[in-house]
Amino acid sequence: KTQVEQSPQSLVVRQGENCVLQCNYSVTPDNHLRWFKQDTGKGLVSLTVLVDQKDKTSNGRYSATLDKDAKHSTLHITATLLDDTATYICVVGENTNTGKLTFGDGTVLTVKP
Amino acid sequence: EAAVTQSPRNKVAVTGGKVTLSCNQTNNHNNMYWYRQDTGHGLRLIHYSYGAGSTEKGDIPDGYKASRPSQENFSLILELATPSQTSVYFCASGQTGHEVFFGKGTRLTVV
Repeated sequence: KTQVEQSPQSLVVRQGENCVLQCNYSVTPDNHLRWFKQDTGKGLVSLTVLVDQKDKTSNGRYSATLDKDAKHSTLHITATLLDDTATYICVVGENTNTGKLTFGDGTVLTVKP
Repeated sequence: EAAVTQSPRNKVAVTGGKVTLSCNQTNNHNNMYWYRQDTGHGLRLIHYSYGAGSTEKGDIPDGYKASRPSQENFSLILELATPSQTSVYFCASGQTGHEVFFGKGTRLTVV
């Protein structure tokens, strides 16, 4: 059973456009949620982490929201650049000493000129 | 700067052979993790560790062993490699509630 579902699976936008990525999860407990960016063939780079019951974060052109009641998160990317082309992965961290993480399959974003 | 270093970065192994993937972190993190990433799947946890001397099974431990001889080092061991273990493997280190850092990955091909 998929515990972290991301949508859309893939997305194509024009440079300069905004986009929104969705993450729904059923992981319990949900201590925190992170968004990672993974360039093709590379490792994962953390974009932001959300912790509070209803949380918002901003990191340059990336902003994210979390609603733990709805078990839902969004990642907004404004004024997309060609370098934003990557897979964006939603990850839920459990509230245990292990810090166990559950990963979504990712949304593949392609930014075209 | 926080760092997780994996070696080798690429490996071709023969079926039935032994493979050891190494991971070193300079973050002084207690927790370390081994994941594999396959097309159509998110990263899946193989083994993890709370600290030196500890190893725990993750979600897909079959066919893999792990070793944490020190705070800095965490190895993933395939005693008898199979083609189904062809994948990209990621090591990570972290502390609960704090940042988590990933290595750049090891591409393993078992022929």
